[in-house]
Amino acid sequence: QQQVKQSPQSLIVQKGGISIINCAYENTAFDYFPWYQQFPGKGPALLIAIRPDVSEKKEGRFTISFNKSAKQFSLHIMDSQPGDSATYFCAARRKVLTGGGNKLTFGTGTQLKVEL
Amino acid sequence: DAGVIQSPRHEVTEMGQEVTLRCKPISGHNSLFWYRQTMMRGLELLIYFNNNVPIDDSGMPEDRFSAKMPNASFSTLKIQPSEPRDSAVYFCASSLRSGGWDTEAFFGQGTRLTVV
Repeated sequence: QQQVKQSPQSLIVQKGGISIINCAYENTAFDYFPWYQQFPGKGPALLIAIRPDVSEKKEGRFTISFNKSAKQFSLHIMDSQPGDSATYFCAARRKVLTGGGNKLTFGTGTQLKVEL
Repeated sequence: DAGVIQSPRHEVTEMGQEVTLRCKPISGHNSLFWYRQTMMRGLELLIYFNNNVPIDDSGMPEDRFSAKMPNASFSTLKIQPSEPRDSAVYFCASSLRSGGWDTEAFFGQGTRLTVV
Protein backbone atom coordinates (compact mmCIF):
# COMPACT_ATOMS: atom_id res chain seq x y z
CA GLN A 1 0.00 0.00 0.00
CA GLN A 2 1.50 3.26 -1.13
CA GLN A 3 0.91 5.76 1.62
CA VAL A 4 2.42 8.76 -0.14
CA LYS A 5 1.49 9.35 -3.77
CA GLN A 6 3.73 11.61 -5.83
CA SER A 7 3.25 13.16 -9.27
CA PRO A 8 4.39 13.70 -11.91
CA GLN A 9 6.87 10.91 -12.45
CA SER A 10 8.99 13.18 -14.65
CA LEU A 11 9.04 16.87 -15.42
CA ILE A 12 10.81 19.05 -17.95
CA VAL A 13 10.98 22.77 -17.26
CA GLN A 14 12.68 25.60 -19.07
CA LYS A 15 15.35 27.56 -17.27
CA GLY A 16 13.73 30.32 -15.23
CA GLY A 17 10.40 28.53 -15.07
CA ILE A 18 8.53 27.15 -12.08
CA SER A 19 8.73 23.46 -11.24
CA ILE A 20 5.81 22.02 -9.30
CA ILE A 21 5.73 18.55 -7.77
CA ASN A 22 2.71 17.26 -5.89
CA CYS A 23 2.21 14.71 -3.14
CA ALA A 24 -0.82 13.31 -1.35
CA TYR A 25 -1.06 11.19 1.75
CA GLU A 26 -3.73 9.22 3.56
CA ASN A 27 -2.45 8.57 7.06
CA THR A 28 -3.36 11.41 9.41
CA ALA A 29 -0.69 10.18 11.84
CA PHE A 30 2.00 11.76 9.66
CA ASP A 31 3.38 14.84 11.39
CA TYR A 32 6.37 16.02 9.37
CA PHE A 33 6.77 16.31 5.62
CA PRO A 34 10.28 16.64 4.17
CA TRP A 35 11.40 16.85 0.59
CA TYR A 36 14.63 15.17 -0.49
CA GLN A 37 16.80 15.90 -3.52
CA GLN A 38 18.86 13.17 -5.13
CA PHE A 39 21.54 13.58 -7.78
CA PRO A 40 22.69 10.60 -9.87
CA GLY A 41 25.01 8.32 -7.94
CA LYS A 42 24.29 10.04 -4.66
CA GLY A 43 22.03 9.41 -1.72
CA PRO A 44 18.96 11.58 -1.08
CA ALA A 45 19.62 14.79 0.84
CA LEU A 46 17.13 16.85 2.81
CA LEU A 47 16.03 19.92 0.86
CA ILE A 48 13.22 21.49 2.86
CA ALA A 49 10.58 20.30 5.31
CA ILE A 50 7.29 21.44 6.80
CA ARG A 51 5.09 20.62 9.76
CA PRO A 52 1.30 20.47 9.30
CA ASP A 53 0.63 23.45 11.55
CA VAL A 54 1.76 25.85 8.80
CA SER A 55 0.50 26.18 5.25
CA GLU A 56 3.69 27.33 3.57
CA LYS A 57 7.42 27.32 4.09
CA LYS A 58 9.93 29.07 1.89
CA GLU A 59 13.68 28.67 1.70
CA GLY A 60 15.29 30.58 -1.11
CA ARG A 61 13.82 29.42 -4.39
CA PHE A 62 12.13 26.40 -2.79
CA THR A 63 8.64 26.57 -1.29
CA ILE A 64 6.44 23.90 0.25
CA SER A 65 2.70 24.47 0.17
CA PHE A 66 0.68 22.35 2.59
CA ASN A 67 -3.08 21.70 2.58
CA LYS A 68 -3.94 19.74 5.70
CA SER A 69 -7.63 19.31 4.94
CA ALA A 70 -6.91 17.92 1.49
CA LYS A 71 -3.93 15.92 2.78
CA GLN A 72 -1.77 17.29 0.00
CA PHE A 73 1.53 19.11 -0.18
CA SER A 74 3.66 20.36 -3.01
CA LEU A 75 7.14 21.60 -3.80
CA HIS A 76 7.57 24.71 -5.91
CA ILE A 77 10.97 25.57 -7.38
CA MET A 78 11.03 29.14 -8.58
CA ASP A 79 13.45 30.35 -11.26
CA SER A 80 14.43 26.74 -12.00
CA GLN A 81 18.07 26.24 -12.97
CA PRO A 82 19.86 23.42 -14.80
CA GLY A 83 21.63 22.63 -11.53
CA ASP A 84 18.22 21.77 -10.05
CA SER A 85 17.99 18.77 -12.40
CA ALA A 86 17.67 15.84 -10.03
CA THR A 87 15.14 13.42 -8.61
CA TYR A 88 12.90 14.83 -5.91
CA PHE A 89 11.17 12.74 -3.27
CA CYS A 90 8.45 13.83 -0.93
CA ALA A 91 8.20 11.98 2.35
CA ALA A 92 6.03 11.77 5.42
CA ARG A 93 7.06 10.90 8.94
CA ARG A 94 5.17 9.15 11.68
CA LYS A 95 5.96 7.70 15.03
CA VAL A 96 6.96 4.08 15.37
CA LEU A 97 4.34 2.68 17.73
CA THR A 98 6.62 0.18 19.44
CA GLY A 99 10.12 1.16 20.48
CA GLY A 100 9.77 4.85 19.89
CA GLY A 101 11.33 7.01 17.24
CA ASN A 102 9.87 7.63 13.85
CA LYS A 103 10.22 6.54 10.25
CA LEU A 104 9.82 8.11 6.84
CA THR A 105 7.60 6.91 4.03
CA PHE A 106 8.76 8.17 0.65
CA GLY A 107 6.91 9.01 -2.53
CA THR A 108 8.04 7.34 -5.75
CA GLY A 109 10.08 10.33 -6.92
CA THR A 110 9.98 12.91 -9.71
CA GLN A 111 12.80 13.24 -12.21
CA LEU A 112 13.19 16.94 -12.94
CA LYS A 113 15.11 18.18 -15.93
CA VAL A 114 15.67 21.90 -16.35
CA GLU A 115 16.56 22.80 -19.92
CA LEU A 116 18.45 25.85 -21.11
CA ASP B 1 32.75 14.32 9.28
CA ALA B 2 32.89 11.96 6.30
CA GLY B 3 29.18 11.30 6.40
CA VAL B 4 27.56 7.89 6.18
CA ILE B 5 29.96 5.45 4.56
CA GLN B 6 28.72 2.44 2.64
CA SER B 7 30.66 -0.37 1.04
CA PRO B 8 30.94 -1.67 -1.52
CA ARG B 9 29.65 0.97 -3.93
CA HIS B 10 28.88 -1.66 -6.52
CA GLU B 11 28.34 -5.39 -6.16
CA VAL B 12 27.67 -7.91 -8.89
CA THR B 13 26.93 -11.43 -7.75
CA GLU B 14 25.43 -14.62 -9.05
CA MET B 15 22.02 -15.83 -8.01
CA GLY B 16 22.23 -17.97 -4.90
CA GLN B 17 25.31 -16.29 -3.49
CA GLU B 18 25.45 -14.50 -0.17
CA VAL B 19 25.79 -10.74 -0.29
CA THR B 20 26.82 -8.50 2.61
CA LEU B 21 26.42 -4.75 2.49
CA ARG B 22 28.18 -2.57 5.06
CA CYS B 23 27.45 0.77 6.64
CA LYS B 24 29.27 3.11 8.98
CA PRO B 25 26.91 5.78 10.35
CA ILE B 26 27.87 9.31 11.26
CA SER B 27 29.67 9.39 14.58
CA GLY B 28 27.28 10.31 17.39
CA HIS B 29 24.15 9.28 15.54
CA ASN B 30 22.10 6.66 17.34
CA SER B 31 19.51 5.74 14.71
CA LEU B 32 20.29 3.79 11.57
CA PHE B 33 18.06 2.96 8.64
CA TRP B 34 18.44 0.61 5.68
CA TYR B 35 16.48 1.53 2.53
CA ARG B 36 16.12 -0.17 -0.85
CA GLN B 37 15.55 1.89 -4.00
CA THR B 38 14.10 0.52 -7.22
CA MET B 39 12.39 2.15 -10.17
CA MET B 40 9.20 0.25 -9.52
CA ARG B 41 8.85 0.76 -5.76
CA GLY B 42 10.93 3.84 -5.04
CA LEU B 43 12.58 4.12 -1.62
CA GLU B 44 11.45 1.46 0.83
CA LEU B 45 12.47 1.29 4.47
CA LEU B 46 13.77 -2.18 5.25
CA ILE B 47 14.79 -1.88 8.89
CA TYR B 48 15.37 0.75 11.56
CA PHE B 49 17.80 0.49 14.49
CA ASN B 50 18.01 2.72 17.51
CA ASN B 51 20.95 2.36 19.92
CA ASN B 52 21.96 -0.77 18.01
CA VAL B 53 18.59 -2.44 18.63
CA PRO B 54 16.21 -3.22 15.76
CA ILE B 55 13.06 -1.16 16.32
CA ASP B 56 11.09 -1.89 13.18
CA ASP B 57 11.91 -4.61 10.65
CA SER B 58 8.50 -4.79 9.04
CA GLY B 59 9.98 -3.73 5.72
CA MET B 60 12.38 -6.64 5.44
CA PRO B 61 11.01 -8.48 2.42
CA GLU B 62 11.62 -12.06 3.52
CA ASP B 63 13.79 -14.34 5.59
CA ARG B 64 16.58 -14.16 3.05
CA PHE B 65 17.29 -10.66 4.35
CA SER B 66 18.91 -10.03 7.70
CA ALA B 67 20.49 -6.99 9.32
CA LYS B 68 22.74 -6.55 12.29
CA MET B 69 24.22 -3.67 14.21
CA PRO B 70 26.90 -5.08 16.54
CA ASN B 71 28.01 -1.63 17.68
CA ALA B 72 27.25 2.04 17.22
CA SER B 73 29.62 2.44 14.31
CA PHE B 74 28.81 -0.51 12.09
CA SER B 75 25.85 -2.26 10.50
CA THR B 76 25.44 -4.97 7.90
CA LEU B 77 22.62 -6.03 5.61
CA LYS B 78 22.92 -9.59 4.40
CA ILE B 79 21.01 -11.36 1.64
CA GLN B 80 21.30 -15.13 1.55
CA PRO B 81 20.63 -16.55 -0.98
CA SER B 82 20.45 -13.61 -3.37
CA GLU B 83 17.98 -13.52 -6.27
CA PRO B 84 17.81 -11.34 -9.41
CA ARG B 85 14.80 -9.48 -8.00
CA ASP B 86 17.02 -8.22 -5.17
CA SER B 87 18.87 -6.05 -7.68
CA ALA B 88 18.51 -2.48 -6.44
CA VAL B 89 20.38 0.37 -4.81
CA TYR B 90 20.59 -0.10 -1.06
CA PHE B 91 21.00 2.99 1.10
CA CYS B 92 22.01 3.32 4.68
CA ALA B 93 21.02 6.46 6.59
CA SER B 94 21.67 7.67 10.10
CA SER B 95 20.20 10.29 12.37
CA LEU B 96 20.26 11.48 15.95
CA ARG B 97 17.30 10.54 18.08
CA SER B 98 16.70 13.01 20.85
CA GLY B 99 13.63 13.47 22.97
CA GLY B 100 11.87 10.63 21.21
CA TRP B 101 12.26 12.08 17.72
CA ASP B 102 14.81 11.51 15.00
CA THR B 103 16.43 14.54 13.45
CA GLU B 104 17.31 14.80 9.77
CA ALA B 105 18.37 11.51 8.20
CA PHE B 106 21.69 11.62 6.36
CA PHE B 107 22.08 9.10 3.57
CA GLY B 108 25.15 7.31 2.32
CA GLN B 109 25.96 7.09 -1.37
CA GLY B 110 24.39 3.66 -1.66
CA THR B 111 25.42 0.23 -2.85
CA ARG B 112 24.24 -0.76 -6.30
CA LEU B 113 23.57 -4.49 -6.20
CA THR B 114 23.16 -6.54 -9.34
CA VAL B 115 22.26 -10.20 -9.05
CA VAL B 116 22.69 -12.14 -12.30
